[in-house]
Amino acid sequence: KNEVEQSPQNLTAQEGEFITINCSYSVGISALHWLQQHPGGGIVSLFMLSSGKKKHGRLIATINIQEKHSSLHITASHPRDSAVYICAVTGGGADGLTFGKGTHLIIQP
Amino acid sequence: DAGVIQSPRHEVTEMGQEVTLRCKPISGHNSLFWYRQTMMRGLELLIYFNNNVPIDDSGMPEDRFSAKMPNASFSTLKIQPSEPRDSAVYFCASSFTGPLGETQYFGPGTRLLVL
Repeated sequence: KNEVEQSPQNLTAQEGEFITINCSYSVGISALHWLQQHPGGGIVSLFMLSSGKKKHGRLIATINIQEKHSSLHITASHPRDSAVYICAVTGGGADGLTFGKGTHLIIQP
Repeated sequence: DAGVIQSPRHEVTEMGQEVTLRCKPISGHNSLFWYRQTMMRGLELLIYFNNNVPIDDSGMPEDRFSAKMPNASFSTLKIQPSEPRDSAVYFCASSFTGPLGETQYFGPGTRLLVL
């Protein structure tokens, strides 16, 4: 079973700062997901990665398959980015999704 | 599209009662997932279906839990009998093409409290 570790667990930053959230996993995967959960509880899928880098607006996700590591970056952070960010991995096939514990991000104005 | 629809949004029940959670996936999606989220354990995959067939139910905690997908537009998760430790938020998600490794769209969740 894959072990998924996220860091930091909690992060408080000022508006405008560059944010990095890290995710590492123990076993090779077929894909990695970054999810966002807002205080109201809804979950939104931000990215699904199997290699390289993806960018969507101010969000950038990277993955290094050899090092079993992924990062989620937020540029020019804004209070509306405050949420829990969750990393999840899958080996594909009959394997299920395994989740990290999440990173609780607060962006202060 | 209305997105993934779950009902009820909130459920309060007493220990021993049967609970049925419902999910309508996004039209055209062929994979459906049931997750549970608790403070202690975070998000966990319970079961997922591909083309209405259960593929992996190893996350189902015990025999009190059962899930069905009778057609492409409807799934249920049933707990019988319910216990206080089943209190959690239950999410349903769906995706298109392939059981895993595709972007998943989550429903709003059902918040279950078992007294």
